[in-house]
Amino acid sequence: EVQLVESGGGLVQPGGSLRLSCAASGFTVSSNYMSWVRQAPGKGLEWVSVIYSGGSTYYADSVKGRFTISRDNSKNTLYLQMNSLRAEDTAVYYCARERGPIVATFFDYWGQGTLVTVSS
Amino acid sequence: QSVLTQPPSVSAAPGQKVTISCSGSSSNIGNNYVSWYQQLPGTAPKLLIYENNKRPSGIPDRFSGSKSGTSATLGITGLQTGDEADYYCGTWDSSLSAPRVFGGGTKLTVL
Repeated sequence: EVQLVESGGGLVQPGGSLRLSCAASGFTVSSNYMSWVRQAPGKGLEWVSVIYSGGSTYYADSVKGRFTISRDNSKNTLYLQMNSLRAEDTAVYYCARERGPIVATFFDYWGQGTLVTVSS
Repeated sequence: QSVLTQPPSVSAAPGQKVTISCSGSSSNIGNNYVSWYQQLPGTAPKLLIYENNKRPSGIPDRFSGSKSGTSATLGITGLQTGDEADYYCGTWDSSLSAPRVFGGGTKLTVL
């Protein structure tokens, strides 16, 4: 059974850092495209970042230069290092497995989400 | 402002049918496939439809998807109170540096 379990969220001051983890089971993270998607309180879904099976990484403009996506193949775990956090980064962060060719990409499994609150 | 436009809300009575639209452009829906997600209150999104009209295993055939030109539609028949949720469309947008895009979401109320 495929499962994704996020952790690492919490309250952090503006300008601070946080690292989110997403432990996967039932499939191999490194063989898949893996994304982070966030949802601000009361708002819609916003794609944040992706790491391809080959290791290439891409980011939304809103987080580029501040967030870093990575994975640990030995732990089958996805990470999101978030630096220089801003109030507008406050959201529930979901990790999701991405499937399909690029033009038909979709997210077939999602974690339960972890809340990040950026506030002084 | 989302790249894909959805109505903020729709409503219908139990047992009825409802459709949710998702409008885009040639750089996204017009030339790529659409997926749909259901988000029940307080839970993570769940895949309902992929590649415009395909249902993952376990999704009942009350849920259907279609696409025409630069718009896509999610249909739900035989509405149940358990269908009350937010629904999001998603696709790839070849004109953007961050090409994975979602609609703003539609709140479905089953009256």
